[in-house]
Amino acid sequence: EAQVTQNPRYLITVTGKKLTVTCSQNMNHEYMSWYRQDPGLGLRQIYYSMNVEVTDKGDVPEGYKVSRKEKRNFPLILESPSPNQTSLYFCASSMGGPVKGYTFGSGTRLTVV
Amino acid sequence: AQKITQTQPGMFVQEKEAVTLDCTYDTSDQSYGLFWYKQPSSGEMIFLIYQGSYDEQNATEGRYSLNFQKARKSANLVISASQLGDSAMYFCAMRRLEYGNKLVFGAGTILRVKS
Repeated sequence: EAQVTQNPRYLITVTGKKLTVTCSQNMNHEYMSWYRQDPGLGLRQIYYSMNVEVTDKGDVPEGYKVSRKEKRNFPLILESPSPNQTSLYFCASSMGGPVKGYTFGSGTRLTVV
Repeated sequence: AQKITQTQPGMFVQEKEAVTLDCTYDTSDQSYGLFWYKQPSSGEMIFLIYQGSYDEQNATEGRYSLNFQKARKSANLVISASQLGDSAMYFCAMRRLEYGNKLVFGAGTILRVKS
């Protein structure tokens, strides 16, 4: 089954404790992105990658890191999480070009206390 | 700036009636795509319908149709014969080819279907 797999689904952590949210896709998609969803703001792009070893900042990159060492994986790293990073996070992938198809992961609900 | 505006934070509709969710967009791109997604309380993002900027016909997918008015930069979602299972958050989004095929989202509209 074609899918984007995010883990974990739920995470509660403490301020400053490094964490990684994993994202993996099995569709050989070139493009992968991370979004965060906050009430009243919709989803905003954090980072994106257009291929292996090619990553760049989205609209709200502060406090996050990513890497793309393999085409299928695009982990999101919070080196020192803060309460303002409490949010619902989505990983999404697509082919390049003017596509109609985006595949979203199931989401990760992160709470930083 | 590329922006999506959904002016209705929340809406109610009676079961079996039709409802229109508004979406306007602002873009300088010549080629773009417009999407509607549904997000139920479980949180996943469910694709509903797509309209390309050069498509002359309005998109339809079952009970969903997109009322695309390019000159007015609007892309309203029409849901016919509402069902209780349509209660959810609905997002309008626009694709940008730059920035990794970025989707720009509106703030969303919460729809509640009443029995």
